Amino acid sequence: ILNVEQSPQSLHVQEGDSTNFTCSFPSSNFYALHWYRWETAKSPEALFVMTLNGDEKKKGRISATLNTKEGYSYLYIKGSQPEDSATYLCASSGSARQLTFGSGTQLTVLP
Amino acid sequence: DTAVSQTPKYLVTQMGNDKSIKCEQNLGHDTMYWYKQDSKKFLKIMFSYNNKELIINETVPNRFSPKSPDKAHLNLHINSLELGDSAVYFCASSQDGGSTEAFFGQGTRLTVV
Repeated sequence: ILNVEQSPQSLHVQEGDSTNFTCSFPSSNFYALHWYRWETAKSPEALFVMTLNGDEKKKGRISATLNTKEGYSYLYIKGSQPEDSATYLCASSGSARQLTFGSGTQLTVLP
Repeated sequence: DTAVSQTPKYLVTQMGNDKSIKCEQNLGHDTMYWYKQDSKKFLKIMFSYNNKELIINETVPNRFSPKSPDKAHLNLHINSLELGDSAVYFCASSQDGGSTEAFFGQGTRLTVV
């Protein structure tokens, strides 16, 4: 079982601020890195899946980068809005193809 | 159309009972998962299964067992339920077990009394 860690655990920002979170994962036997957005009372929804070192993905105001050699990924949100408030989960899969999740970063965007 | 569906959404049962949670996916995915959400909202992998291989998290008690009648279903059976089994259980599926996104069911809140 992989050990996936996320920081910070929680974060409060003002509307319009940009922010970023960190996900660290074991770099050995790496297969893929996922980011999910999880709103209260809903199911996690995928944002990005990245597999190659140096991958960068973007969806609207949200983007992510991947460094497989050092085992970390960043998620960026530009110009945060209240509707961005959610828990952001990172998950890594290794040679066993099993998705292991971090504990998440809970983002609250204050109007 | 619901991609991954779990039933029931809520389950209240007494200690010692045996219960099942059903999961079905209509996405044609090869891999299905069961996760347990603990009290800190942490998603902990219990099982992953594709049509070739079952991978079990060794920390899961053997009272929990996955049953897959076909590729579209992965049901979770729990024997001799204990108070500590109370949690939200999520089913998920993905195409190849890692390089594509996983789709989650809505979760089943199990309460053992």
